Amino acid sequence: KQEVTQIPAALSVPEGENLVLNCSFTDSAIYNLQWFRQDPGKGLTSLLLIQSSQREQTSGRLNASLDKSSGRSTLYIAASQPGDSATYLCAVNRDNNDMRFGAGTRLTVKP
Amino acid sequence: NAGVTQTPKFRVLKTGQSMTLLCAQDMNHEYMYWYRQDPGMGLRLIHYSVGEGTTAKGEVPDGYNVSRLKKQNFLLGLESAAPSQTSVYFCASSYPRYEQFFGPGTRLTVL
Repeated sequence: KQEVTQIPAALSVPEGENLVLNCSFTDSAIYNLQWFRQDPGKGLTSLLLIQSSQREQTSGRLNASLDKSSGRSTLYIAASQPGDSATYLCAVNRDNNDMRFGAGTRLTVKP
Repeated sequence: NAGVTQTPKFRVLKTGQSMTLLCAQDMNHEYMYWYRQDPGMGLRLIHYSVGEGTTAKGEVPDGYNVSRLKKQNFLLGLESAAPSQTSVYFCASSYPRYEQFFGPGTRLTVL
């Protein structure tokens, strides 16, 4: 069974810092990995999707990497802003009907 | 282009009552999903559909039924609600093996 772990569970940083969120998974036979952002009381917003054949994806200040063999992904956020405060979720897809989510990292960026 | 919409946004039920949650998407996606999100448990897949007229069980299907009579709609039914079904329910849709897009969620309380 695929287990997805996100560390740390919570993170607080001052504005402007670069930071890394971690995601690990136990079964490396995945099709893709997706990072989401969730604001309190809201739905999930897709940030980045990395297909299993890719090593990384970038969108603006966000960069996500994937190392399938070690079962790890990282989400790098450059020059963090208070508006980045949210919970970040990673999810791995063994096939399109079996997406497993981590419990998330709650990020607070202090002005 | 509304993306994925869900109705209702909030609902309170008494134990034993029934209800139907509606999900609609306007992106012509083949795949649709229902998840529940509980504190400390992350998101878990309830049922999914890979096309009009087809449905299948996910990780936690007991107590729920679904129907996909039209490609753009996916309904989640609770025939006899139980307090354990108190949760936030999310619908999502996607093309096969591509990123999933989520609706805003339905917050359900069963008393």
